[in-house]
Amino acid sequence: KQEVTQIPAALSVPEGENLVLNCSFTDSAIYNLQWFRQDPGKGLTSLLLIQSSQREQTSGRLNASLDKSSGRSTLYIAASQPGDSATYLCAINTDKLIFGTGTRLQVFP
Amino acid sequence: NAGVMQNPRHLVRRRGQEARLRCSPMKGHSHVYWYRQLPEEGLKFMVYLQKENIIDESGMPKERFSAEFPKEGPSILRIQQVVRGDSAAYFCASSPLPGGQGNEQFFGPGTRLTVL
Repeated sequence: KQEVTQIPAALSVPEGENLVLNCSFTDSAIYNLQWFRQDPGKGLTSLLLIQSSQREQTSGRLNASLDKSSGRSTLYIAASQPGDSATYLCAINTDKLIFGTGTRLQVFP
Repeated sequence: NAGVMQNPRHLVRRRGQEARLRCSPMKGHSHVYWYRQLPEEGLKFMVYLQKENIIDESGMPKERFSAEFPKEGPSILRIQQVVRGDSAAYFCASSPLPGGQGNEQFFGPGTRLTVL
């Protein structure tokens, strides 16, 4: 059974720090991996999607990497800002999405 | 091109009533997925539908829950005789091609169901 784990569960940092959020999965047979952002009481915002054949994707201050053989992905956030405060979810696609439980990030001024 | 639309955004029901949640996929998308997010828990897959067909309902509770995606109109997630434990956020996603090919799913804003 495929399981997705995210570490840490919560993170509180001062503004300006570079951050790494971790996601691990148990079965490497995935089509792609996607990182989402969820604000409290809101829907999901897709941040980055990495196909299984890719190693990384970048968008602005965000960079996501994928090591399928070891079952790991990281989301790197550069120069964090208070507006980055949210819950970050990773999801693997095995014909349906399997989500991790998220990392709750707080960036304080 | 409008995104995935869900309505209502908030729904309040009393125990024993029925809840009907609607999802209109993005234009040109014929594959719809429903996910549920219980309070303080992650999102869990419920069901995957194509037009007029249920492809995978492995995440659906066996009783009281049903889903459909008719030839015309939105996809409907129906919960009969709701109980307090059904209170959750229900998200719909759509894709233009089968999810089994690893295609990206686009999410709606969700319907937040509260059962009193």
